[in-house]
Amino acid sequence: NAGVTQTPKFRILKIGQSMTLQCTQDMNHNYMYWYRQDPGMGLKLIYYSVGAGITDKGEVPNGYNVSRSTTEDFPLRLELAAPSQTSVYFCASRVNEAFFGQGTRLTVV
Amino acid sequence: ILNVEQSPQSLHVQEGDSTNFTCSFPSSNFYALHWYRWETAKSPEALFVMTLNGDEKKKGRISATLNTKEGYSYLYIKGSQPEDSATYLCEGSSGSARQLTFGSGTQLTVLP
Repeated sequence: NAGVTQTPKFRILKIGQSMTLQCTQDMNHNYMYWYRQDPGMGLKLIYYSVGAGITDKGEVPNGYNVSRSTTEDFPLRLELAAPSQTSVYFCASRVNEAFFGQGTRLTVV
Repeated sequence: ILNVEQSPQSLHVQEGDSTNFTCSFPSSNFYALHWYRWETAKSPEALFVMTLNGDEKKKGRISATLNTKEGYSYLYIKGSQPEDSATYLCEGSSGSARQLTFGSGTQLTVLP
């Protein structure tokens, strides 16, 4: 019963590097989301998708890109990492309530 | 962006005390409200989903109520235990399930 799986769990990036955060779900949910959580703050929506081939910006999309080629996968791409992107990232999928992955702690130095 | 606010931001209670906190949201075009429990170093887990005015949901010692006309939901914990210590998030949606916003959470610490 995997649910939502995120990888990696931890990553340190240098400024200007790029990386992809992977997210996959096995519940056949159409809706998928990427959030970031900054210290002392709640969850901010980066991007979301309502189904394969459809993505849309959330509240804080700058510096990120997403794709949704399949129902299961919703990767988040950082092209030019900046210190402001140091955060904990959560992927979620839903029909009604959201199911979250375990999070990725990213540090940009 | 839906404006969802939670209060208080943090709360310390003694073991055995009952407590409650608030989630407020715009009452117009309300769709659904979710409560989540978020333990440190884990990911949020759903507690309740509420859609109808006057809804009341219960899970063990935790319950929640919903007032869509005035735009608020209360979460109650009866007889708090140290294992209840967590951040409690509410998430509101309006118009459609696409427009979702989390509050900043209430961080509860239950002291033994």
